[in-house]
Parts: sequence; structure tokens; C-alpha cells
Amino acid sequence: DGGITQSPKYLFRKEGQNVTLSCEQNLNHDAMYWYRQDPGQGLRLIYYSQIVNDFQKGDIAEGYSVSREKKESFPLTVTSAQKNPTAFYLCASSMGGDISYEQYFGPGTRLTVT
Amino acid sequence: DQQVKQNSPSLSVQEGRISILNCDYTNSMFDYFLWYKKYPAEGPTFLISISSIKDKNEDGRFTVFLNKSAKHLSLHIVPSQPGDSAVYFCAASAGPDKIIFGKGTRLHILP
Repeated sequence: DGGITQSPKYLFRKEGQNVTLSCEQNLNHDAMYWYRQDPGQGLRLIYYSQIVNDFQKGDIAEGYSVSREKKESFPLTVTSAQKNPTAFYLCASSMGGDISYEQYFGPGTRLTVT
Repeated sequence: DQQVKQNSPSLSVQEGRISILNCDYTNSMFDYFLWYKKYPAEGPTFLISISSIKDKNEDGRFTVFLNKSAKHLSLHIVPSQPGDSAVYFCAASAGPDKIIFGKGTRLHILP
């Protein structure tokens, strides 16, 4: 059955290390998104991609990088430049880049950096 | 500067009654609005949306109302059911790179 998978569910890293969060979808969606959620906060857009080999910065892209080499995959790398990397990260996809298309979310990855 | 505000962090409603969740926004460029529902340890799921050219959209038990002059939208759930207990996020958009989510309202449906 179709959906979005994010792995791992929980991730622990030492400060100064880069870490890559996985996001895969088998919905044949063109657009994919990464969001970050902090306690008591709304979701904030990090990066989005409307087609393969193209991606755009969202509101809080600093300290993050992404790639979109395949339609199904949109990995997010949290670099050591990200000042406060500990957060809950959500990946989403939609049929198209227009916001009128419903976004489907993965289960999320909780990243803890110490 | 919060562009999308959900001023009630939590709301308790008796089962069978109407739940009304509110959302205010400040940016008049927003032209599309969405509501998402989120259970603990899961990603949000889309509930219902509305374009700025409409003032109401209904889908089963869920109705979203948009008041553009007041920059206010609300989600009505009637009748409320136990499975509706979750966190509800309001989101507003002016394009794919401008999607702003509110902080969420936790809805408790009381038996």
C-alpha cells in the first residue's frame, strides 16, 4: 500500500556531526517537503521540491541541505551549521507543487543532538 | 511574528456537541487555507481546505468557514466524536514556498 516512510523514528547524534534523515514515498507524487516542529510550535517549512533535480529553500533552510535525485526520495541532511537541530522532522508529499494539492505526511523522525 | 495564530492551545467538548476551532491570520496575501489533524507520534493528516474565493466548505462532519474581512477561519466539527481528540493545525498559503502553520489546538472530546 502507498504512503510515505521516514526512517529512523528516533535518531541521536553528537553535536558537530552531520546527519541524514530519510524520506521515501511510493505515491508517485511530484512534490515533496520537509518541515520541522518544535514543542509548542507550528510546522515550519525547511525545503521543498516540485520536481526531480530541483528544490527550493523554505523559511528556515539555514543549516540544512537536501537532494532530489529520484522522484521517490527526498533526504534531508542536518549539518553541523544548524544551531538548534534537536526537533521533530516531518516529510510530506503532494501530487503537485500547488498548495491546493493535499499534502500527505510521513510519521516523522525525532532527532536529538547532544 | 506569528502570521497564523491559533489562540486556544486546548479545547474540551462534550461528545455529540459541536467543536469550533479558530484560526486568525495577518497576511492578506494568503489565498488558500487548510486544516490538518495530528495524533501523537504520527504525521499530520489533511482534513479540509478552502480557497479564498469561497467562504464555506463542507465535508461530512467538517465545515470550514472563512471570513476574509476579519482574516479569520474556523473549523466546525459536528457531532464531535471520541476519535476527534487530536491536535488540529490551521495552515495558510500564498504559494508552495509560503506555507505557514499555526501552533495547533489540542481538542479533547469528553464522554
